[in-house]
Amino acid sequence: QSVLTQPPSVSGAPGQRVTISCTGSRSNIGADFDVHWYQQLPTKAPKVLIYGNLNRPSGVPNRFSASKSGTSASLAITGLQSEDEADYYCQSYDNTLNGWVFGGGTKLTVL
Amino acid sequence: EVQLLQSGGGLVQPGGSLRLSCAASGFMFNTYGMNWVRQAPGKGLEWVSAVSGNGNSAYYADSVKGRLTISRDNSKNTLFLQMNSLRVEDTAIYYCVTNLTQGVFWGQGTTVTVSS
Repeated sequence: QSVLTQPPSVSGAPGQRVTISCTGSRSNIGADFDVHWYQQLPTKAPKVLIYGNLNRPSGVPNRFSASKSGTSASLAITGLQSEDEADYYCQSYDNTLNGWVFGGGTKLTVL
Repeated sequence: EVQLLQSGGGLVQPGGSLRLSCAASGFMFNTYGMNWVRQAPGKGLEWVSAVSGNGNSAYYADSVKGRLTISRDNSKNTLFLQMNSLRVEDTAIYYCVTNLTQGVFWGQGTTVTVSS
């Protein structure tokens, strides 16, 4: 059971918009710790999509955006493309566990 | 350019030991905390351990407490993970990761397989 809760799967057609939620608690996201988002393609290392709640590293398309409110965060992907099919993870810090916490991951399927 | 170059890992029998290394460059190593994160086959990401910038404070996931030890050599810009009393369930890809002002950076990962 992951500390951060994500839907196991989401799907959308090419060109559509999808969102992936990440629900935490008052000891992590709700304590205003940063949320980061990662994309992981099969057999690859995680790639940073969003860091510090809403910042995109250079090279990440602006089709990817994120937001945070209260004890939750979300990742939005617009203009879905086939290459977006991957696993997505959210991550934050937890001051009760004194360490990083991850969501269980969401598998995105592009129909 | 920030780089985290990992080494170590391999195949070890249950109860055995391994040492992972992560050589950092491109940032003020002694200023930032460092983390180890792992991913078991077919599973999600799991935080393993963290160490403060000066190396004085270390934190561990309950699943590895007492068996894995994180440390760093700031004179050599290198992070370590000493893995003792390894179990089959420690089989995973291990990543060193750091959260800098300019973003989050991951090493390339190194595979640890615990099997008889």
